[in-house]
Amino acid sequence: EAGVAQSPRYKIIEKRQSVAFWCNPISGHATLYWYQQILGQGPKLLIQFQNNGVVDDSQLPKDRFSAERLKGVDSTLKIQPAKLEDSAVYLCASSLVGLAGIHTQYFGPGTRLTVL
Amino acid sequence: SQQGEEDPQALSIQEGENATMNCSYKTSINNLQWYRQNSGRGLVHLILIRSNEREKHSGRLRVTLDTSKKSSSLLITASRAADTASYFCATERAGGTSYGKLTFGQGTILTVHP
Repeated sequence: EAGVAQSPRYKIIEKRQSVAFWCNPISGHATLYWYQQILGQGPKLLIQFQNNGVVDDSQLPKDRFSAERLKGVDSTLKIQPAKLEDSAVYLCASSLVGLAGIHTQYFGPGTRLTVL
Repeated sequence: SQQGEEDPQALSIQEGENATMNCSYKTSINNLQWYRQNSGRGLVHLILIRSNEREKHSGRLRVTLDTSKKSSSLLITASRAADTASYFCATERAGGTSYGKLTFGQGTILTVHP
């Protein structure tokens, strides 16, 4: 079974530029998550999709971040304009509801963003 | 904000020794999960323990959960150099709109010396 795919793996941009990340979840996984992981910290959830609807985006900085999941499969996360503090690894994960309602999340390799 | 606090922040041991990491959290939970992250890579799910469970084993991993103290521990027995990684606890909060949503701790960096 193929895992969660993300691209690009690395991205370096200047502040105030825009950037987009792409995620392809595991086939059949209805739930998709985007996390931001700043160096030395644990991942922080930015947005959670169930199929193509948003379940939780309470920690997404909506003035500059946007995300979509068209057709309930692939997803893109965009930052416009980027700030220095956006330098982080952006992780995508997907899950399906298993026994007893347990969501086990499977993570992609992440995109490392450096904002100069 | 991060739900979990992990202790210690860093742990250095010799191959063959046991490694114990602790996690504390603040709210009622449905379950608590442990993940491993190798340098520069994504997270790998290790083990999940439900709120009504007290102990769980998987291979060389042993997880305990004390909901009265809102704490968990992860024990890795007979450690190997390949266990070198960051380890994160993550909690799924009980109730409301937290369905499937995980809150991660800051992580423990484990180094196992050959």
